[in-house]
Amino acid sequence: QSALTQPPSVSGSPGQSVTISCTGTSSDVGTYNRVSWYQQPPGTAPKLMIYEVSNRPSGVPDRFSGSKTDNTASLTISGLQAEDEADYYCSSYTSSSTYVFGTGTKVTVL
Amino acid sequence: QVQLVESGGGLVKPGGSLRLSCAASGFSFSDYYMTWIRQAPGKGLEWVSYISSSGGGIYYADSVKGRFTISRDNAKNSLYLQMNSLRAEDTAVFYCARRAVSRSFDIWGQGTMVTVSS
Repeated sequence: QSALTQPPSVSGSPGQSVTISCTGTSSDVGTYNRVSWYQQPPGTAPKLMIYEVSNRPSGVPDRFSGSKTDNTASLTISGLQAEDEADYYCSSYTSSSTYVFGTGTKVTVL
Repeated sequence: QVQLVESGGGLVKPGGSLRLSCAASGFSFSDYYMTWIRQAPGKGLEWVSYISSSGGGIYYADSVKGRFTISRDNAKNSLYLQMNSLRAEDTAVFYCARRAVSRSFDIWGQGTMVTVSS
């Protein structure tokens, strides 16, 4: 199972919006709405930010939103803040009943 | 509060074995699927294995199949990962995580470092 494809980095100024893509295949992202997103600041454990493509767990700011079209899922951070600077990973359930993570994207707040 | 605490990491020689543990607290452990996820130094996340709530369903990544064994003891609220035939490429921080009904990983431990080196 190959990793889902994410851009290595995205950046934006405070207040701007950034979008991270996550491209898989018809065996994972394209078939299942079991796509989730994780935020990982340096030196810390990942934190769930989005589940089932577009749902936010309690406590996650509504600046974070998710969507999916065909084999590509996306995470959008609106109104970028300095505290959003971190690595972000997507993940999907697969047709083999396993999981696959994305390659990761570093978000930089300019 | 809901918490996962990993232990058992350390330095091991290639070909050696190690057993990781994950102690759960603050939730009904026996109701949840549990998983192990690892992260090599400076690299991304890699899913390793998961086990169903009863222990009857188990899946592994191809990279560890036949070498790693996941298990759980619901009476002790604990998850385990027995790692045999370790290789240098297994060097990573290993996280245990709770799998939510949504099949996302909603609770993570702080991780335990495994280093495979001679």
